[in-house]
Amino acid sequence: QQKVQQSPESLIVPEGGMASLNCTSSDRNVDYFWWYRQHSGKSPKMLMSIFSNGEKEEGRFTVHLNKASLHTSLHIRDSQPSDSALYLCAASDYNQGKLIFGQGTKLSIKP
Amino acid sequence: EAAVTQSPRNKVAVTGGKVTLSCNQTNNHNNMYWYRQDTGHGLRLIHYSYGAGSTEKGDIPDGYKASRPSQENFSLILELATPSQTSVYFCASGEGTGRNTLYFGEGSRLIVV
Repeated sequence: QQKVQQSPESLIVPEGGMASLNCTSSDRNVDYFWWYRQHSGKSPKMLMSIFSNGEKEEGRFTVHLNKASLHTSLHIRDSQPSDSALYLCAASDYNQGKLIFGQGTKLSIKP
Repeated sequence: EAAVTQSPRNKVAVTGGKVTLSCNQTNNHNNMYWYRQDTGHGLRLIHYSYGAGSTEKGDIPDGYKASRPSQENFSLILELATPSQTSVYFCASGEGTGRNTLYFGEGSRLIVV
């Protein structure tokens, strides 16, 4: 059982639509969350991080965090074909520098 | 942005053979990591290191050893490769705090036949 669970496994969204991705940790020691994006055949790159309860917005991307439920979500508005990628959620605790990743959500944007 | 380079980028190994995957980072990061990526599993942590001379077991260390001889270099060693170790391996580095962003290399694709 992975400590970081993502849903859905895959998602198809029309161009211009809203994509919503979810992530929950089962490890109560977790303090910080990240979202990484990985285009096909490439390495993962950090997209957004969130460390406090609430919401954080960067352009078309918004992340939410509820620390009580250890749940984070990523929302992409006005989705573009270039947003098609594997989105990986990761979590770590305060003391250690290691990140534990979820299994990913494969997002496809249809023109 | 941090520069992390891996070698080899592609490798075909025979079952029972020894494989060494190498990783070099040039940004003086304290922490380095080895992950493997398989469809449906995301990234799974094999070994990581807090600095030269240190190695720690991750979530799936069985069948793998790691070596951190210097701040810049971190190797993953498969002493007796098995077909189940066929995968894409990613090395990453980070500053070492709980909030550190990881910077990944381009990956090493290993096929064990």
